[in-house]
Amino acid sequence: EDQVTQSPEALRLQEGESSSLNCSYTVSGLRGLFWYRQDPGKGPEFLFTLYSAGEEKEKERLKATLTKKESFLHITAPKPEDSATYLCAVQASGGSNYKLTFGKGTLLTVNP
Amino acid sequence: DSGVTQTPKHLITATGQRVTLRCSPRSGDLSVYWYQQSLDQGLQFLIQYYNGEERAKGNILERFSAQQFPDLHSELNLSSLELGDSALYFCASSRRESPGELFFGEGSRLTVL
Repeated sequence: EDQVTQSPEALRLQEGESSSLNCSYTVSGLRGLFWYRQDPGKGPEFLFTLYSAGEEKEKERLKATLTKKESFLHITAPKPEDSATYLCAVQASGGSNYKLTFGKGTLLTVNP
Repeated sequence: DSGVTQTPKHLITATGQRVTLRCSPRSGDLSVYWYQQSLDQGLQFLIQYYNGEERAKGNILERFSAQQFPDLHSELNLSSLELGDSALYFCASSRRESPGELFFGEGSRLTVL
């Protein structure tokens, strides 16, 4: 069964204090790894897709990287508006490839 | 705005009752996915439809059922409701049969009393 574990569960940063969120996964063949952002009371919003180890994607202050066992979401010089829950999800390449399996997320709070 | 519309936004009902949640996907998207989100379980995949046909099932209870209509909107029916069914129910859509990038609605918050 596909599994996704995210750490830490919660992270509190000062504005400008860079850090990383971790997503460890177990899947029988990775078709894709996805990062989403979820604001309170809203649906998840797509950020990145990574397909193979070594791949990196960037968007503003966020950079996602992928290895064979985990992915990191690096946040550089965060601002209060980056506060949200960040979700990681995997899509398997086998028979269950019509669903995304999500982790429980990391709640990021950036204080001004 | 993701372009995915879910109704109702909030629903309060009693145990044993039945409710229907509705989802209109983004224009042009053929796939619809239903997810349940609770505090302790996170986002759990329920079911997927592609162009009117069921494509994949997750941990969906027998008391729950869904369908996708010819105009591509989808409905999730929850019956014999229990307290533990209280959760946020999200609909998501994508253009292709395989999920890739999903576009989520704002969810329907169900409270069972």
